[in-house]
Amino acid sequence: DVKVTQSSRYLVKRTGEKVFLECVQDMDHENMFWYRQDPGLGLRLIYFSYDVKMKEKGDIPEGYSVSREKKERFSLILESASTNQTSMYLCASSGETSGSYEQYFGPGTRLTVT
Amino acid sequence: QKEVEQDPGPLSVPEGAIVSLNCTYSNSAFQYFMWYRQYSRKGPELLMYTYSSGNKEDGRFTAQVDKSSKYISLFIRDSQPSDSATYLCAMSARAGRRALTFGSGTRLQVQP
Repeated sequence: DVKVTQSSRYLVKRTGEKVFLECVQDMDHENMFWYRQDPGLGLRLIYFSYDVKMKEKGDIPEGYSVSREKKERFSLILESASTNQTSMYLCASSGETSGSYEQYFGPGTRLTVT
Repeated sequence: QKEVEQDPGPLSVPEGAIVSLNCTYSNSAFQYFMWYRQYSRKGPELLMYTYSSGNKEDGRFTAQVDKSSKYISLFIRDSQPSDSATYLCAMSARAGRRALTFGSGTRLQVQP
């Protein structure tokens, strides 16, 4: 059974704190993604990675950075958390086999910045 | 204007009804079309996938793609309370590496 896990389900942080969100997949997938989900806006791509140590900006990368030191792990970093980063954060992964399209999602981390 | 438009609902129907969920899009390069279902407090999971135009049926679910109109639909027959969830359309110009572009999701409530 495929599995994408995220380090926390709920997180409360203060403005200005550095925040780490961790994602681990056990499917040996090459591609990993970080999205945020907000009411009325759907899922918006923050960053994605198609290989270890590789990363590409998504639609809304400002205020975020990422790290992929191992194939199975993709971290999202909020360098200095702000209240407008309060959101649901979803990690996903997908394989690179021919015709692959399905992204597998983790359960999400609901982050509140106060 | 968003690349993918989806009515957020909520949509409330009685059990057994036929449900129609729709998305429109503006990018003519999209050719991979998906529907994800997301239960409360869970991540999205793939429900249906269609490549290019046409219909695809899987049990009570039918996905339709009309590329000429840039319009996709998901039909649910004999809807059940367990179908209550948020349904997200997603699309991509190519498979594999590229990220998906999602609609904002339609919340569906099936009343017993």
